[in-house]
Amino acid sequence: QQQVKQSPQSLIVQKGGISIINCAYENTAFDYFPWYQQFPGKGPALLIAIRPDVSEKKEGRFTISFNKSAKQFSLHIMDSQPGDSATYFCAAPSRGSQGNLIFGKGTKLSVKP
Amino acid sequence: EPEVTQTPSHQVTQMGQEVILRCVPISNHLYFYWYRQILGQKVEFLVSFYNNEISEKSEIFDDQFSVERPDGSNFTLKIRSTKLEDSAMYFCASSRGTGHRDEKLFFGSGTQLSVL
Repeated sequence: QQQVKQSPQSLIVQKGGISIINCAYENTAFDYFPWYQQFPGKGPALLIAIRPDVSEKKEGRFTISFNKSAKQFSLHIMDSQPGDSATYFCAAPSRGSQGNLIFGKGTKLSVKP
Repeated sequence: EPEVTQTPSHQVTQMGQEVILRCVPISNHLYFYWYRQILGQKVEFLVSFYNNEISEKSEIFDDQFSVERPDGSNFTLKIRSTKLEDSAMYFCASSRGTGHRDEKLFFGSGTQLSVL
């Protein structure tokens, strides 16, 4: 119940295309869903996040779509660029105290020029 | 933007040895964390620290692990007797401490620990 399942494991997209990464969860108590972006040699950095009271959140080319009934949320990267090539992690807060995040296994995105 | 800094970037040690991983959190942050990522696996929570004490720890954080804030700027993770399975990238993180579950975490670049 505490897991967050992420797919695909890797993704190759042409420049200008749409990248879509999916996550599914089981615990209906989860109330915050961040996406973290990690470049090689760096730590994860918060990219965008959503709360379950909205179905979509958009920040620039990045959009989170949230389906509460299906217990799924996804990251869409519009007009993907080579600079977006990174590993993306979805996450949800554990039932514990703040900062205890349960991460998905990550998706390695490669955007080809 | 302020950063969380970690030293060293790579640490190689022999099994059974003690290691200390060091972190300097962002200066006005109140919560500090350690996470780890075994190669090819997901990032896993180890421990959170607030007001000079552990606020939460995972099952991974057993008696071999300890954390300390020895002064006003550093935050350390000590592994007393390293095992092969402790080999991983260890990330330090910090947050402002709003008390909300949607707290934004700022991660350092990590220390790659290799236990031989």
